[in-house]
Amino acid sequence: GAVVSQHPSRVICKSGTSVKIECRSLDFQATTMFWYRQFPKQSLMLMATSNEGSKATYEQGVEKDKFLINHASLTLSTLTVTSAHPEDSSFYICSAPALDRRNTEAFFGQGTRLTVV
Amino acid sequence: AQSVTQPDIHITVSEGASLELRCNYSYGATPYLFWYVQSPGQGLQLLLKYFSGDTLVQGIKGFEAEFKRSQSSFNLRKPSVHWSDAAEYFCAVGVEYGNKLVFGAGTILRVKS
Repeated sequence: GAVVSQHPSRVICKSGTSVKIECRSLDFQATTMFWYRQFPKQSLMLMATSNEGSKATYEQGVEKDKFLINHASLTLSTLTVTSAHPEDSSFYICSAPALDRRNTEAFFGQGTRLTVV
Repeated sequence: AQSVTQPDIHITVSEGASLELRCNYSYGATPYLFWYVQSPGQGLQLLLKYFSGDTLVQGIKGFEAEFKRSQSSFNLRKPSVHWSDAAEYFCAVGVEYGNKLVFGAGTILRVKS
């Protein structure tokens, strides 16, 4: 199957700083990527849809100025958590969708565990 | 709106016993259904998926799931659980041809020896 690589896998940062998370499709092109967030003991919730060459689409309740998404190329999407606070500590995971309509599956990165202290 | 319900937050089974994890979904069209497994601190691994055709789907690691449209269910089963199966399991329904996923709350499986 297709491979999606996400970095870093773990990051600890101080309150008020920004953290960038990268999501790369290694062996295919992805015009769209999805970013999910998972709080402790909760399920994964879609945050936003990243679109190559255009603005990201954010789900209701997600602050677009806080979670900056850039889909700079067909193989790279980045999520930047700006001015991070402890409540932003979470597991962030990206996915890239099916390569074609016949293969309806999303491929996930390994996830990033963010801890804000 | 689409939704997925996993009624059991925790399940404990003995090693070698059979397992069934429940999943119910709400979706207006033909659903694309998935089961993922997440080990502690890890990403998601796809166990199996259903798009159409045979309602009994075989997956990796000896798992299978049965799609029952009349019950809006997609329960995951395994005839004999191994200690390494201890993890959290997520059922998901896919929208937009399965690309965007709505997840259930997850079921944590504990295996006792």
